Amino acid sequence: SQTIHQWPATLVQPVGSPLSLECTVEGTSNPNLYWYRQAAGRGLQLLFYSVGIGQISSEVPQNLSASRPQDRQFILSSKKLLLSDSGFYLCAWFPGRGDEKLFFGSGTQLSVL
Amino acid sequence: SQQGEEDPQALSIQEGENATMNCSYKTSINNLQWYRQNSGRGLVHLILIRSNEREKHSGRLRVTLDTSKKSSSLLITASRAADTASYFCATASTGANNLFFGTGTRLTVIP
Repeated sequence: SQTIHQWPATLVQPVGSPLSLECTVEGTSNPNLYWYRQAAGRGLQLLFYSVGIGQISSEVPQNLSASRPQDRQFILSSKKLLLSDSGFYLCAWFPGRGDEKLFFGSGTQLSVL
Repeated sequence: SQQGEEDPQALSIQEGENATMNCSYKTSINNLQWYRQNSGRGLVHLILIRSNEREKHSGRLRVTLDTSKKSSSLLITASRAADTASYFCATASTGANNLFFGTGTRLTVIP
């Protein structure tokens, strides 16, 4: 069966420090992969999505970047975190091929202080 | 923005009552989906309704879709305390690779 792993679960980082959040999917091949951010008590904002290795689409200009070095690995990064980068980050995957729902990871709560 | 809006933002009901949440969106869609999120966790898919469908049922869930009004509703019947969570609608456009999520409704079911 397919599973998605996202880590770490919580992260506290100082302003100006770098960030790397990792997401991996097991049990499938060539999934669409997504990074969403959720501010406290708010909806989800799509940050990046990828339909294949090395293919990244950015939805919102910001201080973040994403990379997909392997088929089932999706990484969210920042060189210098801002206070406004705080939030709940969710990785998700979409099987395609007739299955139209998203499967989400458990999320990373990022606090930038 | 394609993002939808849920209404109400928060809803508090007694166990056993029905809960109705509404979603409005802005663009043409291929399907509309509802997700549930427990506090501090990822989202879980509940139900999908296609643009050519008007109503769909799954257990205690009933979803309606009115494409002329660009709106959908989620009804949870005979609510339970375990239904306490945030509920989000999400829309998919034809040919798109993405889902755009609404702002969510926070449901509290009081035992």
